[in-house]
Amino acid sequence: EAGVAQSPRYKIIEKRQSVAFWCNPISGHATLYWYQQILGQGPKLLIQFQNNGVVDDSQLPKDRFSAERLKGVDSTLKIQPAKLEDSAVYLCASFGIMNTEAFFGQGTRLTVV
Amino acid sequence: AQSVSQHNHHVILSEAASLELGCNYSYGGTVNLFWYVQYPGQHLQLLLKYFSGDPLVKGIKGFEAEFIKSKFSFNLRKPSVQWSDTAEYFCAVSIMIKAAGNKLTFGGGTRVLVKP
Repeated sequence: EAGVAQSPRYKIIEKRQSVAFWCNPISGHATLYWYQQILGQGPKLLIQFQNNGVVDDSQLPKDRFSAERLKGVDSTLKIQPAKLEDSAVYLCASFGIMNTEAFFGQGTRLTVV
Repeated sequence: AQSVSQHNHHVILSEAASLELGCNYSYGGTVNLFWYVQYPGQHLQLLLKYFSGDPLVKGIKGFEAEFIKSKFSFNLRKPSVQWSDTAEYFCAVSIMIKAAGNKLTFGGGTRVLVKP
């Protein structure tokens, strides 16, 4: 089966600019996650979708971050405006009912300068 | 809410040495446990997982982990490491929340450097 697709792979922006990341999970996977991984730290869950509904966004900085999964398939994560501390790798993962593990994309490395 | 702690942030050892990485979690209910590895410049890959049954789990590349329920631990081991095991290792816990799917939480990671 095809894996989790993310784009872009790399992005460099200036602080206060906006940026968007895209994720296409494995076909049929109902659960989709966005994680933020800052260098030297473990992945931190930003938001979790079950189909097109948000089930956990408790750690999403909602004043600047937003995410959607309108049709319950692919998802976008947006940052507006970006801050220096948003520099990180943004990981998307999906989990299917019939699976026993989450599958991760390659991530988007964001550098805010 | 569940949490995961990994005791060692950095481990340095020589080839052929044995490796053990500690992982403890906090959650009173049923959990599924994972170890992921991230090689330099690469994405997360699953090393092994525990769902039920034998608490000693064998994974890829000679790694194994033991689930000790009474200690809320899931330590990773490898009897003899190779230079290619240089990577960052993450312990993760998932709990199943009805109608919300699996909530997957990671530890802070342990960076392992194997000297040739």
